[in-house]
Amino acid sequence: QLQLQESGPGLVKPSETLSLSCIVSGGSISSSSYYWGWIRQPPGKGLEWIGSIYYSGTTYYNPSLKSRVTTSVNTSKNQFSLKLTSVTAADTAVYYCARQGQWLPYFDHWGQGALVTVSS
Amino acid sequence: EIVMTQSPATLSVSPGERATLSCRASQSVGTNLAWYQQKPGQTPRLLIYGASTRATGIPARFSGSGSGTEFTLTISSLQSDDFIVYYCQQYNAWPLTFGGGTKVEIK
Repeated sequence: QLQLQESGPGLVKPSETLSLSCIVSGGSISSSSYYWGWIRQPPGKGLEWIGSIYYSGTTYYNPSLKSRVTTSVNTSKNQFSLKLTSVTAADTAVYYCARQGQWLPYFDHWGQGALVTVSS
Repeated sequence: EIVMTQSPATLSVSPGERATLSCRASQSVGTNLAWYQQKPGQTPRLLIYGASTRATGIPARFSGSGSGTEFTLTISSLQSDDFIVYYCQQYNAWPLTFGGGTKVEIK
């Protein structure tokens, strides 16, 4: 059974870099059939797609975040990662990682989510 | 960027009644439309993909329809677990975009 689990600091200071990892178990991140994505949800608000990455390194990012976002894949550890630079309070959110189909990139499996608070 | 608009923002329905949720795309997405449900404090769950195909384990009371720019999620007979938030998402083109959500509340 595929499982995804986010990990990383729950508190980040303004102007610093938010870093999260998503550990994938029960499936291979190197599968050619899937993208691996990040979505966030500010408290009490809706879902916002951040970006997606293919095992080969191909990436797509939300234009509103593109200048601050980097994603990467570590196939040896079966995990993928998110970095968001120059964070502000507006980046406070629950961050989810999720699996997407390669050709039909809806999100069929989600992690539990990780709350990241930006505060000094 | 394709803008997804859900209406209404809040839908008040009595248990056992039918709920109809709408999702509109700013340009055609074909049938590349998914619906998710999210219970309070929980992870979103895939309900429908391909505009009308139920995901694994989703009860038959949930149905999706539409194509192009207009889509509908119908819950035929609302049960207590169904009074939560629903989101649509287009995956026809990058960047991927979600609607703002519809909260279904007890009337």
